[in-house]
Amino acid sequence: AQSVTQPDIHITVSEGASLELRCNYSYGATPYLFWYVQSPGQGLQLLLKYFSGDTLVQGIKGFEAEFKRSQSSFNLRKPSVHWSDAAEYFCAVEGAGKSTFGDGTTLTVKP
Amino acid sequence: DTAVSQTPKYLVTQMGNDKSIKCEQNLGHDTMYWYKQDSKKFLKIMFSYNNKELIINETVPNRFSPKSPDKAHLNLHINSLELGDSAVYFCASSPYRDTGELFFGEGSRLTVL
Repeated sequence: AQSVTQPDIHITVSEGASLELRCNYSYGATPYLFWYVQSPGQGLQLLLKYFSGDTLVQGIKGFEAEFKRSQSSFNLRKPSVHWSDAAEYFCAVEGAGKSTFGDGTTLTVKP
Repeated sequence: DTAVSQTPKYLVTQMGNDKSIKCEQNLGHDTMYWYKQDSKKFLKIMFSYNNKELIINETVPNRFSPKSPDKAHLNLHINSLELGDSAVYFCASSPYRDTGELFFGEGSRLTVL
């Protein structure tokens, strides 16, 4: 069965600093990978996805993620964080017709 | 024009009652889902439907009964509510059955007293 681990429960960064959120997955075949963001009281919104091809994928709001098969990782990055990026971030892997989510990372942005 | 809409947004009810949540998507997607998010924000799939056919039932108690009258609608009915059912329930849709990104509604927060 597929699974996703997000090792960091909570991350705090200063506004303008760079960000990296970690995601490790377990899946037997080529994974379809996603990052979603959830603002308070809202549903989840897709930031970016990896299906195949270029291992560095660009998403919305200036986010990017890099797929590393050898490390079973799909880490999310942003070069300069804005206060509006404060939210919950979920990594997900698609397999067998369903998406399995990690437990999420809460991002706090300090002024 | 909301892509995936759920009603109601909030439900507060007593143990033992029955409640329903409705979901509609106007994206033309064939696949719809119900996810449950608990108080620790863990998200777990409950059901998925593809073109009105149930394809995933993730060992959810029989008290939960989804219904899809057409591919744009997926409703969730819950009988005999228990305290542990308190959660946020998200409806989502996807353009593809196996490889699709998910489009989420804003969630329905259920509180069982």
